Amino acid sequence: DARVTQTPRHKVTEMGQEVTMRCQPILGHNTVFWYRQTMMQGLELLAYFRNRAPLDDSGMPKDRFSAEMPDATLATLKIQPSEPRDSAVYFCASGLGRQVLDFNQPQHFGDGTRLSIL
Amino acid sequence: GESVGLHLPTLSVQEGDNSIINCAYSNSASDYFIWYKQESGKGPQFIIDIRSNMDKRQGQRVTVLLNKTVKHLSLQIAATQPGDSAVYFCAENFGGQGGKLIFGQGTELSVKP
Repeated sequence: DARVTQTPRHKVTEMGQEVTMRCQPILGHNTVFWYRQTMMQGLELLAYFRNRAPLDDSGMPKDRFSAEMPDATLATLKIQPSEPRDSAVYFCASGLGRQVLDFNQPQHFGDGTRLSIL
Repeated sequence: GESVGLHLPTLSVQEGDNSIINCAYSNSASDYFIWYKQESGKGPQFIIDIRSNMDKRQGQRVTVLLNKTVKHLSLQIAATQPGDSAVYFCAENFGGQGGKLIFGQGTELSVKP
């Protein structure tokens, strides 16, 4: 089965360090999403891309977070500088939006990056 | 110190029984709904979806019911198995929002052997 691949699976680092999380979407999917999951807030959408262009990043703290898609097979989420409150599990998901007005397709998730900022 | 977090609703069922997990969604304009299953240490896994022009959709051992009048969604799992133990999330798409899904808080299903 095709899967979304996320690396690293676990990351522990000290406050102030740069963190980069990577995602390989399912081949052929044109929409990529970044989520953060915590016990307090549940699953929150941070940003998403369609055809590599950012569509919405309103859920992301702009001062320290950045999301990019250098090519169709790689999406990155960076945090610089990292803070203890960024500790969470970060999920990438991909989907296939077939038509301009039809975004109703399931998203398929990776297994996440568990991030701990000390 | 004591940890504080979301206290998920919990449903405990006997193996072999049917399970019903409920979800209230927020936006009457939502036109697409999905159920996900999340096991410990893994990402949410797609189970079944339904569009707003339908009331019911069936999959393998699962059925989703949609009641737009009261903005209610349910997931029925037939003959629940220990492998069904997980947290189940419903998600809604507001439509015209570029595919953005809004997730519920989740329900933890525990299956007793």
